[in-house]
Formats: sequence, C-alpha cells, structure tokens
Amino acid sequence: DAKTTQPTSMDCAEGRAANLPCNHSTISGNEYVYWYRQIHSQGPQYIIHGLKNNETNEMASLIITEDRKSSTLILPHATLRDTAVYYCIVVSQGGKLIFGQGTELSVKP
Amino acid sequence: DAGVTQSPTHLIKTRGQHVTLRCSPISGHKSVSWYQQVLGQGPQFIFQYYEKEERGRGNFPDRFSARQFPNYSSELNVNALLLGDSALYLCASRSIGLLYEQYFGPGTRLTVT
Repeated sequence: DAKTTQPTSMDCAEGRAANLPCNHSTISGNEYVYWYRQIHSQGPQYIIHGLKNNETNEMASLIITEDRKSSTLILPHATLRDTAVYYCIVVSQGGKLIFGQGTELSVKP
Repeated sequence: DAGVTQSPTHLIKTRGQHVTLRCSPISGHKSVSWYQQVLGQGPQFIFQYYEKEERGRGNFPDRFSARQFPNYSSELNVNALLLGDSALYLCASRSIGLLYEQYFGPGTRLTVT
C-alpha cells in the first residue's frame, strides 16, 4: 500500500486559503488520491479525490503534481468549522482506506 | 436520505466479555467496511464486506469477526475483549459505482474496563 506523509499540524487564518500538502512518492499508476476530514468525535467525511488531473468541488480543490508524487488540498476560504484532522489517502486495491496520522488544521479567527 | 447509522452510540464492557456492534448503510449501498480508531490515531481498517461476502481483512486477530445481512446491514463482533480494544469503531458504506468514496457513520465508542 502506498504511504502518505503529511505535516502533523497547520494553522490558518479565518477567510484565508488553507493549503494542505501530502507526499505519496510510491503511488502506483492506477491508485487514486483521496482526502477525508474528521471533525472531533465524528466519523470521517469525504472531501475530494483525483487521479491525475486537478479537481474542484464545492468543498475544496485538489492539485496533483505531474509526477503524482505529491498533492495539495486547498480550502479556498477557511472557516472555523473547517478545523479538523485532514487525511490524505492513497486507495489500495480493493478499496480499503489506509489512514495515516493526518494533518490537524486549526482555523483561527 | 438517512446516512450511515450505528448502534449503540456508547458501550462499556469488561475484559473478557463479548460485544456486537451494528451498522446500517445508506440505502442502495451494498458495501460496508469497519474501522477501529484508537484515541489520537487515524482509523485502522478491519473488514470490508460486499454482497454479504468478506472482500478484505485488516491486520486484526481472529477475535474480531463480522458479517453482512441480506439487507446489507452489518455486525462487528469482538470476543474476549482486551483493554486495548477500547476505541471508536466506525462503519462506512459505499456505492460500488462511486469508486472508493465511502460514507462514515458517527461510530460506536467502546470502553473496556
């Protein structure tokens, strides 16, 4: 299973863009990058996923480098409710999600 | 539409006992997965079921077992509970047509004393 590396924690000012990096240098050609977040004491919430191209939805944007060895999740206008642990996951065969430690994002007023 | 539901919300057991946790997937979702989340760590994969068959198993002892019913709901069973089994147990369901986008329930908080 491809492993991911994320910073342990990050701070972001409310209203500013939050850019969360993730390294996945051993990713295989057919593996997707998924992002989930977990607000305290709740189940993880799906945010976005991508394979090669950049993706955008109502929650966030995902930028994947051309060599696919890293990606960045962008929350364009962070709010206090975006404070959570963000997980970058490379989906293994069969669809099981291998979570790492994630990045604890603190959005501050 | 209702999301993934899990029961009970909280549970306290003593060492050596048995526990059964229940999960109802989103309507139309045929795949259910179970995860264990110990405090301070990310969720760890335990089982995946699709169409009532086990399709994947994580690195957990045989004390952990699960099954999926014809209505696609699922049970996770843990025998001979240990203190280390104290965790948040999460259930996730997915529609096969949505690749690996999984929807998680709120979890069951198990405390073993």
